[in-house]
Amino acid sequence: AAGVIQSPRHLIKEKRETATLKCYPIPRHDTVYWYQQGPGQDPQFLISFYEKMQSDKGSIPDRFSAQQFSDYHSELNMSSLELGDSALYFCASSFNTLQGEGGNEQFFGPGTRLTVL
Amino acid sequence: AQSVTQLDSHVSVSEGTPVLLRCNYSSSYSPSLFWYVQHPNKGLQLLLKYTSAATLVKGINGFEAEFKKSETSFHLTKPSAHMSDAAEYFCVVSGRKTSYDKVIFGPGTSLSVIP
Repeated sequence: AAGVIQSPRHLIKEKRETATLKCYPIPRHDTVYWYQQGPGQDPQFLISFYEKMQSDKGSIPDRFSAQQFSDYHSELNMSSLELGDSALYFCASSFNTLQGEGGNEQFFGPGTRLTVL
Repeated sequence: AQSVTQLDSHVSVSEGTPVLLRCNYSSSYSPSLFWYVQHPNKGLQLLLKYTSAATLVKGINGFEAEFKKSETSFHLTKPSAHMSDAAEYFCVVSGRKTSYDKVIFGPGTSLSVIP
């Protein structure tokens, strides 16, 4: 079965540089989520998109932006990188199948490990 | 509002003994609950999920969890620990909004398995 694809898997950047992370959700999934996981931390929600529109925003710095394209892939753009941005960045996708108040299962990609030097 | 508490930041068990990882949640509605496992330098793998069906949920690798609404708990158990179970475990609560799911991760429990 198709899974969530993230690229690149590893990225090394210098301070103040920019980075672009890409996410390809599972086909027919309508929602994409981005998470940041620092060393020894739990994943922190950054931003989500439903049908190509931003649906929710978490602890995403102003230096970061994201969008979802017509083919449903999403990109996270990070500018003026700081040492503290070094983390594992996960993308997840889901499709709404539930009728009640509970959320749907999110399918996670393998992550992009960003190292800022 | 939703929140998740994982009562133990670290649990250590001997191989072959039972595993209990505790999770309590707070939610103003009826959420879905998930357990994910993360091995070192790896991604997140779904162990099991509760989405308002059976309260006793069986997952992969012999894990199971019981949803107890009265106790607002969703503890993860396994009868016999294996060395390969050593990993970080995250309890997750998720509620449906109009066009997205509001997902909250617990802080994680690190499981060590002693030979």
